[in-house]
Amino acid sequence: GAVVSQHPSRVICKSGTSVKIECRSLDFQATTMFWYRQFPKQSLMLMATSNEGSKATYEQGVEKDKFLINHASLTLSTLTVTSAHPEDSSFYICSAEFKKQYFGPGTRLTVT
Amino acid sequence: GENVEQHPSTLSVQEGDSAVIKCTYSDSASNYFPWYKQELGKGPQLIIDIRSNVGEKKDQRIAVTLNKTAKHFSLHITETQPEDSAVYFCAASIQAGGTSYGKLTFGQGTILTVHP
Repeated sequence: GAVVSQHPSRVICKSGTSVKIECRSLDFQATTMFWYRQFPKQSLMLMATSNEGSKATYEQGVEKDKFLINHASLTLSTLTVTSAHPEDSSFYICSAEFKKQYFGPGTRLTVT
Repeated sequence: GENVEQHPSTLSVQEGDSAVIKCTYSDSASNYFPWYKQELGKGPQLIIDIRSNVGEKKDQRIAVTLNKTAKHFSLHITETQPEDSAVYFCAASIQAGGTSYGKLTFGQGTILTVHP
């Protein structure tokens, strides 16, 4: 149980375009979902916290207009990176909370 | 806010030996401490966790100890195997109430290598 999926697992996009990443809790309803960013050989940095039906809470320094989060249901949250630039290239990981936090497999974003 | 320090950054052991990873936290209000294992190119996997009302928890070869007074907690892996090789992260959070454990603050990670 407690499986979280992410789609896509890898995406390459051109600079200036937008890309959407989906996070789904497959066998439970998540009260809260979190989005993290991880650079190579570094720890996870929380970007934002989202609850179903309400606006996401962004961490200090994270541009909310650039990283759009939509939490459409108790099993689905999406992160859209708008007007992507090469510096947005990173490993994006979501987690879903139901008593504990369970992480998705991550999405490798490369912006060329 | 909360700050979590993790040591060592790398740890190399022989198969069958024990491995210990230590973390300290700064916020005395933190009351939930999970440990995650992350393999290359994958998301973190919860391996064990402990609440502040418990001093020790064990699950087969893995154990976690917590010293609230000193504000540090440790992961112990016994009889290590090559498949234990991965990056391990500790984390801390404050349980807000109900079933929510709130935001996790992660340590810097420890690269564990188990040599056959």
